[in-house]
Amino acid sequence: EAQVTQNPRYLITVTGKKLTVTCSQNMNHEYMSWYRQDPGLGLRQIYYSMNVEVTDKGDVPEGYKVSRKEKRNFPLILESPSPNQTSLYFCASSLGTLEWFFGPGTRLTVL
Amino acid sequence: KQEVTQIPAALSVPEGENLVLNCSFTDSAIYNLQWFRQDPGKGLTSLLLIQSSQREQTSGRLNASLDKSSGRSTLYIAASQPGDSATYLCAVGGSQGNLIFGKGTKLSVKP
Repeated sequence: EAQVTQNPRYLITVTGKKLTVTCSQNMNHEYMSWYRQDPGLGLRQIYYSMNVEVTDKGDVPEGYKVSRKEKRNFPLILESPSPNQTSLYFCASSLGTLEWFFGPGTRLTVL
Repeated sequence: KQEVTQIPAALSVPEGENLVLNCSFTDSAIYNLQWFRQDPGKGLTSLLLIQSSQREQTSGRLNASLDKSSGRSTLYIAASQPGDSATYLCAVGGSQGNLIFGKGTKLSVKP
């Protein structure tokens, strides 16, 4: 089944404790992207990648890192999480100018 | 910078009505436009994708149109049902493979 998977689905952590949210797709898509969704602010892009080793900042990249070492994986790294990074995170993938597919989301709470 | 606006922010209709959701964008240089559905606390489900060269797409009771020159898209839902209750998101795709989202229209269909 074609899909985008994210892990973990739910995470509660404390300020400053490094964490990684994994994202994997099995559709051989070149493009991958991370979004955060907050009430009243909608979905905002954090980082995106157009291919292996090619990444670029979205609208809200501060406090996040990404890497694209393999085509199928695009992990999101929070080196020192803060409470303002409490949010619902989505990973997505696409062939580029075609349909985007989204993962199920990761609900992150930073205390 | 591309901005996407969705009107209305919320809509409540009785079952069986035909309805129109609106999406506007400020930069007409888009590659495509995609409509999504999101149920509370859930991920995004792709409904329709319209390429920049297309005028409309249809899937079942849904029809989406695109007028790139005026920066507008509409999602038409025929014979609405309570199961259509959700938030509908419009997103425009750019040349970098990124998606810019509107804040959505929250639809409630009353039985």
